[in-house]
This record gives sequence, C-alpha cells and structure tokens, in this order.
Amino acid sequence: DAKTTQPTSMDCAEGRAANLPCNHSTISGNEYVYWYRQIHSQGPQYIIHGLKNNETNEMASLIITEDRKSSTLILPHATLRDTAVYYCIVRVDRDDKIIFGKGTRLHILP
Amino acid sequence: DAGVTQSPTHLIKTRGQQVTLRCSPKSGHDTVSWYQQALGQGPQFIFQYYEEEERQRGNFPDRFSGHQFPNYSSELNVNALLLGDSALYLCASSLGTAPWQSGYTFGSGTRLTVV
Repeated sequence: DAKTTQPTSMDCAEGRAANLPCNHSTISGNEYVYWYRQIHSQGPQYIIHGLKNNETNEMASLIITEDRKSSTLILPHATLRDTAVYYCIVRVDRDDKIIFGKGTRLHILP
Repeated sequence: DAGVTQSPTHLIKTRGQQVTLRCSPKSGHDTVSWYQQALGQGPQFIFQYYEEEERQRGNFPDRFSGHQFPNYSSELNVNALLLGDSALYLCASSLGTAPWQSGYTFGSGTRLTVV
C-alpha cells in the first residue's frame, strides 16, 4: 500500500504557483520523498525528490517539513501543460519498485 | 537517445484470449518493471525483471507472466483474459544496481481493451 495521502484534485490559475501537499506521517528516517506526474495518455515522469532538505530543480521545488511527516511540491508558474496527475511517493529502501497511490489531479485554469 | 518503447500502443482482445505486450528499455538500463493502470487509478506494480529473472512480484495472479531477453527487452503475457484486465499497461526501465539513483523511465503504455 502507498504510504502517502494526497488530495484527490486541485485547481490553480495559469501563471500562479501550484502548491501540492502530501502527508507521509509514517516515513522512516532513511526514506526519500519522490514526486512523479502523469500527463494524460503518457507514462509517469520524474519531477524531483528529497530526504530532509528543501530541493529545487528546473521543474519544481520540494519543501519537506522538519518532522518529515509532510511535504509540498511547488510549481512556481503553472502553465496549461502542467495539467496532470501528481504522485507523491515514499521510496522504501529495501524495495526497488515504485508504489503509487491515487495522486492529485491538478487542473490549471486559463 | 531512445527512451522506453512499448508495443503495440492499443490492443483489443476477446475474453479468454491470450495477449503479449512488449517493452524495450532505455539505453543503458537493464531492469524492466511492469505496471497495470486501471482508469482513474494509480499504476499497480505487476513484476520486475533483472538479469532475465523475475526479481519482485506484486499481487497479481499467475495468469500474468513475463520474460526478459538477453538484450534487456521484456514481454508481459496475460492468459485467459478477463474484462477486468482492461487497462493501460506501463513498462518502466531502470539500472538494476541503483534503480532509484538511475531513475525510472516509463514508456507511454499499451492500452488493452478486453471485450
């Protein structure tokens, strides 16, 4: 079973920052948080990951709370092409497979 | 640099038939994982192949089987198809010795419809 909880859906206006929350209250100290997204009719695509510190790349920023029980994915300037299902995943060290939950369906509104 | 290639893209089969789906991994990757994604759901792990052996398996019946070839490509076979097997089947490739570090690359999937 997935170890994360995400809202089913969210809306965001084009050009604004999209903030997608994720709860992972049972995360262990050596488990990473990963984010993937799936645009309609495509396979999931890696976005970003982190352990403790906040992370930023060309696609997004990841903010992890100090207790590591939750995180937020930030798309700084959302565009229509960011409309997708976003999956928050906790990497289980002893497993080499990705366990997906149901994700958050993000709608970017023009 | 070719990513993960899956074939066919769409397929329609009749209940009770058998189907074979194919996957070519990203260049440099040696591990293939298969996922089933029903409409509106997240992908569910079926199994993973590494060094031509099934390394891990999810909660799927024996009707689902696979194979990996020496060139790292893989097949997913489903026997005695049921209506509930209708789904998007995704293949993901990675590097077996360091899958998370190498990153999982997904194909666009095969859409299977069972009628």
